[in-house]
Amino acid sequence: DTEVTQTPKHLVMGMTNKKSLKCEQHMGHRAMYWYKQKAKKPPELMFVYSYEKLSINESVPSRFSPECPNSSLLNLHLHALQPEDSALYLCASSLKETGGGANQPQHFGDGTRLSIL
Amino acid sequence: AQKVTQAQTEISVVEKEDVTLDCVYETRDTTYYLFWYKQPPSGELVFLIRRNSFDEQNEISGRYSWNFQKSTSSFNFTITASQVVDSAVYFCALSSGSARQLTFGSGTQLTVLP
Repeated sequence: DTEVTQTPKHLVMGMTNKKSLKCEQHMGHRAMYWYKQKAKKPPELMFVYSYEKLSINESVPSRFSPECPNSSLLNLHLHALQPEDSALYLCASSLKETGGGANQPQHFGDGTRLSIL
Repeated sequence: AQKVTQAQTEISVVEKEDVTLDCVYETRDTTYYLFWYKQPPSGELVFLIRRNSFDEQNEISGRYSWNFQKSTSSFNFTITASQVVDSAVYFCALSSGSARQLTFGSGTQLTVLP
Protein backbone atom coordinates (compact mmCIF):
# COMPACT_ATOMS: atom_id res chain seq x y z
CA ASP A 1 0.00 0.00 0.00
CA THR A 2 1.19 3.49 -0.81
CA GLU A 3 2.05 5.80 2.08
CA VAL A 4 0.63 8.75 0.19
CA THR A 5 -3.15 8.55 0.01
CA GLN A 6 -5.13 10.31 -2.67
CA THR A 7 -8.89 10.69 -2.93
CA PRO A 8 -10.93 10.22 -4.96
CA LYS A 9 -9.39 7.58 -7.22
CA HIS A 10 -11.63 8.58 -10.13
CA LEU A 11 -13.50 11.82 -10.78
CA VAL A 12 -15.78 12.81 -13.62
CA MET A 13 -16.90 16.41 -13.68
CA GLY A 14 -18.49 18.91 -15.99
CA MET A 15 -16.76 22.08 -17.05
CA THR A 16 -18.81 24.21 -14.66
CA ASN A 17 -18.34 22.04 -11.58
CA LYS A 18 -16.18 22.73 -8.56
CA LYS A 19 -14.40 19.79 -6.98
CA SER A 20 -11.32 19.10 -4.89
CA LEU A 21 -8.61 16.47 -4.94
CA LYS A 22 -7.12 15.46 -1.62
CA CYS A 23 -3.74 14.08 -0.65
CA GLU A 24 -2.52 12.92 2.74
CA GLN A 25 0.79 11.60 4.07
CA HIS A 26 1.93 10.73 7.56
CA MET A 27 5.61 10.18 6.94
CA GLY A 28 6.65 13.53 8.43
CA HIS A 29 7.56 14.84 4.99
CA ARG A 30 7.74 18.62 4.68
CA ALA A 31 7.52 18.91 0.91
CA MET A 32 4.45 18.00 -1.11
CA TYR A 33 3.84 18.10 -4.84
CA TRP A 34 1.08 18.04 -7.44
CA TYR A 35 1.80 16.56 -10.84
CA LYS A 36 -0.32 16.19 -13.95
CA GLN A 37 0.29 13.17 -16.16
CA LYS A 38 -1.18 12.60 -19.61
CA ALA A 39 -1.20 9.13 -21.14
CA LYS A 40 2.19 7.86 -22.28
CA LYS A 41 3.96 10.96 -20.91
CA PRO A 42 6.07 11.60 -17.82
CA PRO A 43 4.57 13.53 -14.90
CA GLU A 44 4.58 17.32 -15.26
CA LEU A 45 5.14 19.33 -12.12
CA MET A 46 2.34 21.74 -11.22
CA PHE A 47 2.97 22.92 -7.66
CA VAL A 48 5.40 22.40 -4.80
CA TYR A 49 4.76 23.16 -1.16
CA SER A 50 7.69 23.29 1.19
CA TYR A 51 7.00 23.63 4.92
CA GLU A 52 3.38 24.45 4.04
CA LYS A 53 4.33 27.39 1.85
CA LEU A 54 3.94 27.46 -1.92
CA SER A 55 7.44 27.10 -3.30
CA ILE A 56 6.87 26.48 -7.01
CA ASN A 57 3.94 27.25 -9.30
CA GLU A 58 4.78 26.09 -12.81
CA SER A 59 2.58 28.70 -14.49
CA VAL A 60 -0.50 26.63 -13.86
CA PRO A 61 -3.86 28.17 -14.94
CA SER A 62 -5.84 29.70 -12.11
CA ARG A 63 -8.62 27.15 -12.54
CA PHE A 64 -6.31 24.93 -10.46
CA SER A 65 -5.90 26.22 -6.92
CA PRO A 66 -3.63 24.39 -4.45
CA GLU A 67 -3.96 24.50 -0.71
CA CYS A 68 -1.80 23.07 2.07
CA PRO A 69 -3.81 23.23 5.33
CA ASN A 70 -1.09 21.50 7.34
CA SER A 71 2.07 19.47 6.88
CA SER A 72 0.15 16.25 6.20
CA LEU A 73 -2.51 17.47 3.82
CA LEU A 74 -2.51 18.86 0.32
CA ASN A 75 -5.58 19.81 -1.68
CA LEU A 76 -6.11 20.79 -5.28
CA HIS A 77 -9.28 22.79 -5.90
CA LEU A 78 -10.70 22.55 -9.40
CA HIS A 79 -13.07 25.00 -11.06
CA ALA A 80 -14.19 25.56 -14.64
CA LEU A 81 -11.85 22.95 -16.05
CA GLN A 82 -11.42 22.27 -19.75
CA PRO A 83 -11.52 18.90 -21.54
CA GLU A 84 -7.74 19.05 -22.01
CA ASP A 85 -7.39 18.98 -18.22
CA SER A 86 -8.43 15.32 -18.25
CA ALA A 87 -5.42 13.44 -16.91
CA LEU A 88 -3.99 11.50 -13.99
CA TYR A 89 -3.21 13.85 -11.10
CA LEU A 90 -0.45 12.60 -8.85
CA CYS A 91 0.46 13.80 -5.40
CA ALA A 92 3.92 13.18 -4.00
CA SER A 93 5.85 13.98 -0.85
CA SER A 94 9.48 14.00 0.20
CA LEU A 95 11.38 14.67 3.40
CA LYS A 96 12.53 17.99 1.99
CA GLU A 97 12.03 19.64 -1.37
CA THR A 98 13.60 17.67 -4.23
CA GLY A 99 15.33 19.55 -6.99
CA GLY A 100 18.14 22.03 -6.74
CA GLY A 101 20.45 19.10 -6.20
CA ALA A 102 18.51 17.67 -3.30
CA ASN A 103 18.64 13.93 -2.90
CA GLN A 104 15.27 13.22 -1.34
CA PRO A 105 13.24 10.68 -3.28
CA GLN A 106 9.62 11.58 -3.83
CA HIS A 107 6.94 9.12 -2.75
CA PHE A 108 3.85 9.10 -4.90
CA GLY A 109 0.21 8.29 -4.37
CA ASP A 110 -1.95 6.22 -6.71
CA GLY A 111 -3.32 9.34 -8.34
CA THR A 112 -6.77 10.61 -9.26
CA ARG A 113 -7.96 9.89 -12.78
CA LEU A 114 -9.87 12.99 -13.78
CA SER A 115 -12.22 13.19 -16.74
CA ILE A 116 -13.78 16.46 -17.83
CA LEU A 117 -16.99 16.18 -19.83
CA ALA B 1 19.85 22.92 -18.76
CA GLN B 2 19.43 19.34 -17.73
CA LYS B 3 17.90 16.51 -19.65
CA VAL B 4 17.12 12.82 -19.29
CA THR B 5 16.79 10.61 -22.34
CA GLN B 6 15.17 7.20 -22.38
CA ALA B 7 15.50 6.23 -26.01
CA GLN B 8 13.54 3.00 -25.69
CA THR B 9 9.86 3.87 -25.88
CA GLU B 10 8.59 0.30 -25.64
CA ILE B 11 10.27 -3.03 -24.93
CA SER B 12 8.62 -6.41 -25.06
CA VAL B 13 10.26 -9.57 -23.68
CA VAL B 14 9.21 -13.07 -22.80
CA GLU B 15 9.13 -14.07 -19.17
CA LYS B 16 12.54 -15.13 -17.72
CA GLU B 17 14.48 -13.07 -20.25
CA ASP B 18 16.86 -10.40 -18.98
CA VAL B 19 16.13 -6.83 -20.06
CA THR B 20 18.07 -3.57 -19.78
CA LEU B 21 16.44 -0.16 -19.75
CA ASP B 22 18.68 2.67 -20.85
CA CYS B 23 18.94 6.13 -19.31
CA VAL B 24 21.26 8.89 -20.49
CA TYR B 25 21.40 12.22 -18.68
CA GLU B 26 22.83 15.68 -19.22
CA THR B 27 23.77 18.18 -16.55
CA ARG B 28 26.49 20.75 -16.00
CA ASP B 29 26.44 20.21 -12.25
CA THR B 30 29.06 18.08 -10.53
CA THR B 31 26.69 17.07 -7.74
CA TYR B 32 23.48 15.42 -8.82
CA TYR B 33 21.19 12.52 -8.02
CA LEU B 34 19.60 9.96 -10.28
CA PHE B 35 16.42 8.02 -9.60
CA TRP B 36 14.45 5.18 -11.13
CA TYR B 37 10.68 4.88 -10.69
CA LYS B 38 8.26 2.14 -11.75
CA GLN B 39 4.69 2.99 -12.73
CA PRO B 40 2.38 -0.03 -12.99
CA PRO B 41 -1.06 0.31 -14.61
CA SER B 42 -2.53 1.26 -11.22
CA GLY B 43 -0.85 4.65 -11.60
CA GLU B 44 1.39 5.01 -8.56
CA LEU B 45 5.04 5.80 -9.21
CA VAL B 46 7.11 3.47 -7.07
CA PHE B 47 10.56 4.68 -6.05
CA LEU B 48 13.19 2.04 -6.89
CA ILE B 49 16.63 3.56 -6.37
CA ARG B 50 18.61 6.76 -5.81
CA ARG B 51 22.23 7.18 -6.84
CA ASN B 52 24.47 10.19 -6.21
CA SER B 53 27.08 11.44 -8.63
CA PHE B 54 29.99 10.54 -6.39
CA ASP B 55 29.09 6.90 -6.03
CA GLU B 56 29.71 4.86 -9.16
CA GLN B 57 29.33 1.50 -7.52
CA ASN B 58 26.84 -0.69 -9.24
CA GLU B 59 23.95 -1.85 -7.13
CA ILE B 60 21.98 -5.08 -7.04
CA SER B 61 18.67 -5.64 -5.31
CA GLY B 62 17.23 -9.06 -5.95
CA ARG B 63 16.50 -9.33 -9.69
CA TYR B 64 17.19 -5.61 -10.19
CA SER B 65 20.59 -4.12 -10.88
CA TRP B 66 21.80 -0.67 -11.85
CA ASN B 67 24.89 0.34 -13.78
CA PHE B 68 26.00 3.95 -13.28
CA GLN B 69 28.75 5.19 -15.61
CA LYS B 70 29.73 8.86 -15.38
CA SER B 71 32.01 8.54 -18.39
CA THR B 72 29.01 7.91 -20.62
CA SER B 73 26.44 9.79 -18.48
CA SER B 74 24.35 6.68 -18.23
CA PHE B 75 22.38 5.01 -15.46
CA ASN B 76 21.00 1.79 -16.88
CA PHE B 77 18.62 -0.59 -15.18
CA THR B 78 18.63 -4.35 -15.70
CA ILE B 79 15.93 -6.79 -14.69
CA THR B 80 17.14 -10.38 -14.56
CA ALA B 81 14.74 -13.24 -15.19
CA SER B 82 11.85 -10.89 -15.91
CA GLN B 83 8.37 -11.65 -14.65
CA VAL B 84 4.92 -10.59 -15.83
CA VAL B 85 4.60 -8.39 -12.73
CA ASP B 86 7.53 -6.33 -14.00
CA SER B 87 5.30 -5.00 -16.77
CA ALA B 88 5.10 -1.25 -16.19
CA VAL B 89 6.40 2.10 -17.37
CA TYR B 90 9.83 2.86 -15.96
CA PHE B 91 11.04 6.43 -15.52
CA CYS B 92 14.57 7.66 -14.96
CA ALA B 93 14.86 11.06 -13.24
CA LEU B 94 17.57 13.59 -12.37
CA SER B 95 17.93 16.14 -9.58
CA SER B 96 20.75 18.66 -9.82
CA GLY B 97 21.55 22.11 -8.50
CA SER B 98 20.76 24.04 -11.63
CA ALA B 99 17.12 22.99 -11.77
CA ARG B 100 14.50 23.51 -9.11
CA GLN B 101 12.59 20.39 -9.95
CA LEU B 102 13.07 16.74 -10.74
CA THR B 103 13.64 16.11 -14.45
CA PHE B 104 11.98 12.95 -15.75
CA GLY B 105 12.83 10.99 -18.85
CA SER B 106 10.00 10.13 -21.23
CA GLY B 107 9.68 6.63 -19.80
CA THR B 108 10.03 3.11 -21.18
CA GLN B 109 6.98 0.84 -21.39
CA LEU B 110 8.12 -2.69 -20.51
CA THR B 111 5.82 -5.57 -21.36
CA VAL B 112 6.73 -9.04 -20.11
CA LEU B 113 4.82 -11.75 -21.90
CA PRO B 114 4.03 -15.07 -20.23
